[in-house]
Amino acid sequence: NAGVTQTPKFQVLKTGQSMTLQCAQDMNHEYMSWYRQDPGMGLRLIHYSVGAGITDQGEVPNGYNVSRSTTEDFPLRLLSAAPSQTSVYFCASSYSYSQPATIYFGEGSWLTVV
Amino acid sequence: AQSVTQLDSQVPVFEEAPVELRCNYSSSVSVYLFWYVQYPNQGLQLLLKYLSGSTLVKGINGFEAEFNKSQTSFHLRKPSVHISDTAEYFCAVWGQGGKLIFGQGTELSVKP
Repeated sequence: NAGVTQTPKFQVLKTGQSMTLQCAQDMNHEYMSWYRQDPGMGLRLIHYSVGAGITDQGEVPNGYNVSRSTTEDFPLRLLSAAPSQTSVYFCASSYSYSQPATIYFGEGSWLTVV
Repeated sequence: AQSVTQLDSQVPVFEEAPVELRCNYSSSVSVYLFWYVQYPNQGLQLLLKYLSGSTLVKGINGFEAEFNKSQTSFHLRKPSVHISDTAEYFCAVWGQGGKLIFGQGTELSVKP
């Protein structure tokens, strides 16, 4: 099992560019999510999905888009990058959203918007 | 809404000394709590979790935490730290719909 795999690990974007952060898990988890990590703020939830075809907004969804066409994949799209989106992004997955379960994290994607 | 507060943003400590990282949560009927560790430039790794049962929870790498309902706390402890424990530690509470609500993080710096 590879667990949760994120790509790319590092990316520099210019303001206004768009890009997609890829996330895949091979654990057949129904629940997947994206967080962003900023100094002194912990991790904040951007979007999440409880199954293929179902997505919803988290705490900080503005400027991001997601889709869940398969159980395995949950890409995060930045529509028009802004410097405020400079952050570390983590994809996570869990086998359940209806009862407490361990959430597994990817290695992170470091994004800089200039 | 549920929330988590980590009371110390940075904790410096000497090697082989004990350490306690403090975490308070907002009260709720059912509380499920987690501690994660993040080593530099890496993802988050689960240290331990409290779902029910014994209030003293043992985790990996010699860490343990105690769930205290009356004080709404879930402090993380280790009796003797190593240089390799230098990392950022996050306390989190499981929220409705499977969301994890994180504290702000505590940077543990172990000095020789």
